[in-house]
Amino acid sequence: EPEVTQTPSHQVTQMGQEVILRCVPISNHLYFYWYRQILGQKVEFLVSFYNNEISEKSEIFDDQFSVERPDGSNFTLKIRSTKLEDSAMYFCATRSEGRIKNIQYFGAGTRLSVL
Amino acid sequence: QKEVEQDPGPLSVPEGAIVSLNCTYSNSAFQYFMWYRQYSRKGPELLMYTYSSGNKEDGRFTAQVDKSSKYISLFIRDSQPSDSATYLCAMALIQGAQKLVFGQGTRLTINP
Repeated sequence: EPEVTQTPSHQVTQMGQEVILRCVPISNHLYFYWYRQILGQKVEFLVSFYNNEISEKSEIFDDQFSVERPDGSNFTLKIRSTKLEDSAMYFCATRSEGRIKNIQYFGAGTRLSVL
Repeated sequence: QKEVEQDPGPLSVPEGAIVSLNCTYSNSAFQYFMWYRQYSRKGPELLMYTYSSGNKEDGRFTAQVDKSSKYISLFIRDSQPSDSATYLCAMALIQGAQKLVFGQGTRLTINP
């Protein structure tokens, strides 16, 4: 069964450093999302991406965050200068433009630890 | 008022019991309703998906949506220890990016 692949599974970084989280979507999926889950809290939407541009972003997704699809396969989330409060699980999700709308498939996540 | 409310539990039941999980929501514009299962430190896994009021059944799982009351439920029949996980309700608008809005998640344990 096709799946969304995220790397790395765990990223440890120092506060102020840049990190890039990577996602390989299910092939033929056209809509891409990043969500975040701080330990013990709900899964929160960060950003959606379609047709090579951001279609919607939350208030969490400030200037420190960016997304891109650099090579037509990977979908990345970059955090420019990490803060302690960025420590969380980050999930990539993708969906197709099929008849059944909005079934989003999630990757296993990247656990980001900012020290 | 939170957009989506879900009792975080924890909920502990004996094997074989019927489990009922619920969410309420405030935005009447939500049209898509989903239940995801999440094991510890894993990504959410889609269990059920529906976009209309009423019941939808898949094996031991039944999803119920009542749009007039803004209330959704997931029923698990003949619960198994392998059903032990956190269950997340999620919903989305029909327009725009269709981002998912999640509940807090209910932590469920099925005791053998």
